[in-house]
Amino acid sequence: AQTVTQSQPEMSVQEAETVTLSCTYDTSESDYYLFWYKQPPSRQMILVIRQEAYKQQNATENRFSVNFQKAAKSFSLKISDSQLGDAAMYFCAYRMNYGGSQGNLIFGKGTKLSVKP
Amino acid sequence: NAGVTQTPKFRILKIGQSMTLQCTQDMNHNYMYWYRQDPGMGLKLIYYSVGAGITDKGEVPNGYNVSRSTTEDFPLRLELAAPSQTSVYFCASKAGEPQHFGDGTRLSIL
Repeated sequence: AQTVTQSQPEMSVQEAETVTLSCTYDTSESDYYLFWYKQPPSRQMILVIRQEAYKQQNATENRFSVNFQKAAKSFSLKISDSQLGDAAMYFCAYRMNYGGSQGNLIFGKGTKLSVKP
Repeated sequence: NAGVTQTPKFRILKIGQSMTLQCTQDMNHNYMYWYRQDPGMGLKLIYYSVGAGITDKGEVPNGYNVSRSTTEDFPLRLELAAPSQTSVYFCASKAGEPQHFGDGTRLSIL
C-alpha cells in the first residue's frame, strides 16, 4: 500500500526567508501525481502545487517550488520569500494515475508552518 | 460558481443518533469523495463515487453509508454515531486534476 510520510510536525521561518518542507512516499507504481495542499486555520484545503511523476522538471508556482527526486521517492516543498499568510498546515499527498485508485488522494500527517514577523 | 458546498459546517450529535452530511457540487464532476480528518492527522478516504449510481468504499468506511443518485449530490450518512466518529469531514470532487474541496463539516459526538 502507498504511504506518505512528513517527518517534520512543525517548522518555523522568519518572514522573507526560505523554508523547505519534507515529504517522502512509498509506492511501487511509476505513474502517479504528487501534491502539496495548504490548510489555513479556516480549514480550507488549498492546492499549492502538483507534480506529475513522468515529468522530470520540478514544478513551480510563483514563490513555491518542489524538489522531486523520483528514485529517492522524495518530494519537498520550498517556499521562498515567506509571508505571514503562508502560516498554515501543509499536507503532502499522492495518487496513482490509473483506474484502480479512482483518483483518491493519500495524505501525510502534515507539517505546521509558523511565520515569524 | 459555488464549487463544492458542504452543510452543515458544525454539528454536535449524541451517541447513537443519526445524521446526514450534505455535499453538492456545481461543476458537473463525475468523481466525488468523502474524507475525514482526525486531529493532527491527514485526510483519510471514507467513500468515493465515480458517477451517479456508483459508489465504493475507501480506507475507513465502517459506520458510514453513501448514495449518489445525481451527479451533483453525494451525501454521507452516519447511522449510529459513536465518539470515534468525531472528526472534520471533507467532501471533494474532480473531473481531471485537481480535486476541489468543500470547507468541511466539524462533527462532535458526545
